[in-house]
Amino acid sequence: EAGVTQFPSHSVIEKGQTVTLRCDPISGHDNLYWYRRVMGKEIKFLLHFVKESKQDESGMPNNRFLAERTGGTYSTLKVQPAELEDSGVYFCASSRPGAMNTEAFFGQGTRLTVV
Amino acid sequence: AQSVTQLGSHVSVSEGALVLLRCNYSSSVPPYLFWYVQYPNQGLQLLLKYTTGATLVKGINGFEAEFKKSETSFHLTKPSAHMSDAAEYFCAVSGGTSYGKLTFGQGTILTVHP
Repeated sequence: EAGVTQFPSHSVIEKGQTVTLRCDPISGHDNLYWYRRVMGKEIKFLLHFVKESKQDESGMPNNRFLAERTGGTYSTLKVQPAELEDSGVYFCASSRPGAMNTEAFFGQGTRLTVV
Repeated sequence: AQSVTQLGSHVSVSEGALVLLRCNYSSSVPPYLFWYVQYPNQGLQLLLKYTTGATLVKGINGFEAEFKKSETSFHLTKPSAHMSDAAEYFCAVSGGTSYGKLTFGQGTILTVHP
């Protein structure tokens, strides 16, 4: 089966521009997570979708970040307008439905550089 | 609230030597504990996990970890390092109402010398 796929793998944008990151989870995985790793720091949780609904968005840094999951399939994370501190690697992960399915499968990440 | 501390951002070992990567956690609920590995230009891959039951957990590539509640630790070990083990390793914890939401440590880069 195909793994979690993220697009693009790298993105370099100027401060003030908009960037949209995409994540395609493993088919059948209702749970979808976004994480971010800023350089030198730990990987931090951003938000969690169950199907198309936001279950937990407590990690979203501010209202410049907007996450959507159309029809419970792929998800997008938009940053508008981007700031320098948004640079980092954005990871997406998915897992099967059910509270006891604890293994999350991660994508390769999108490296975002804001200059 | 949960937190994870990985002792040592960089660990260097010789090929064939013991690998020991340290992880201590804090959790107000019974934790689920994980070790992930990230090879260059790849995503995070699950090495092993502890949920309930046996406290010594075996994972892929010869790695194992032991859950010690009294010490709040979940250290990762491998008896004999291989060059292919060079990567970054992450310890993570989850628990409570959202077992899929992971709290990560800062990561440990493992270097293996010939």
